[in-house]
Amino acid sequence: DAGITQSPRHKVTETGTPVTLRCHQTENHRYMYWYRQDPGHGLRLIHYSYGVKDTDKGEVSDGYSVSRSKTEDFLLTLESATSSQTSVYFCAISEGWIVGTDTQYFGPGTRLTVL
Amino acid sequence: AQKVTQAQTEISVVEKEDVTLDCVYETRDTTYYLFWYKQPPSGELVFLIRRNSFDEQNEISGRYSWNFQKSTSSFNFTITASQVVDSAVYFCAVNTDKLIFGTGTRLQVFP
Repeated sequence: DAGITQSPRHKVTETGTPVTLRCHQTENHRYMYWYRQDPGHGLRLIHYSYGVKDTDKGEVSDGYSVSRSKTEDFLLTLESATSSQTSVYFCAISEGWIVGTDTQYFGPGTRLTVL
Repeated sequence: AQKVTQAQTEISVVEKEDVTLDCVYETRDTTYYLFWYKQPPSGELVFLIRRNSFDEQNEISGRYSWNFQKSTSSFNFTITASQVVDSAVYFCAVNTDKLIFGTGTRLQVFP
């Protein structure tokens, strides 16, 4: 199994508070991704990173920011959480040497509830 | 734009039945990759298979097999002699530069 951990695994927070989710990998993979999973939508890409300090937006990036200061860590921040951001968040990694070809391996997920 | 359609929202079978999960994809790219992932009740996403658009050979792995037909833009997944442990949500996905998922098919296998 790919070495990917996410923290916290569960979080309940209130509307308007900032929240940061962490993804940590031990595989030294170049690409890291954040997805959210919602019923009826499958998984949707929020942001991704193709290297330290190199990030780009995905399909549903509004209300989210990311940072990657080290190869192994990719942080997802909700600056001011809203109830619509209640979801399960998955981090993924891939070797990423040729965009679009790699297999993405997923972390265990973080269940976030915004009250 | 890429799109993946998994028209079967939920399938229920009895153990030992064969079951096929359908996946239809759309992409304008000639080079792309197709994937299947399994999400068991515990919630993690497990990679099952990757297929590139130039390789239309069917693949078999134990009780699992995949049928890729470029002419119909389909990449179907068959489980032979299903078992209770196969109960999960299965996602099909297509990747050219971003991985786009279908909405998943929930498979319930009853003893």
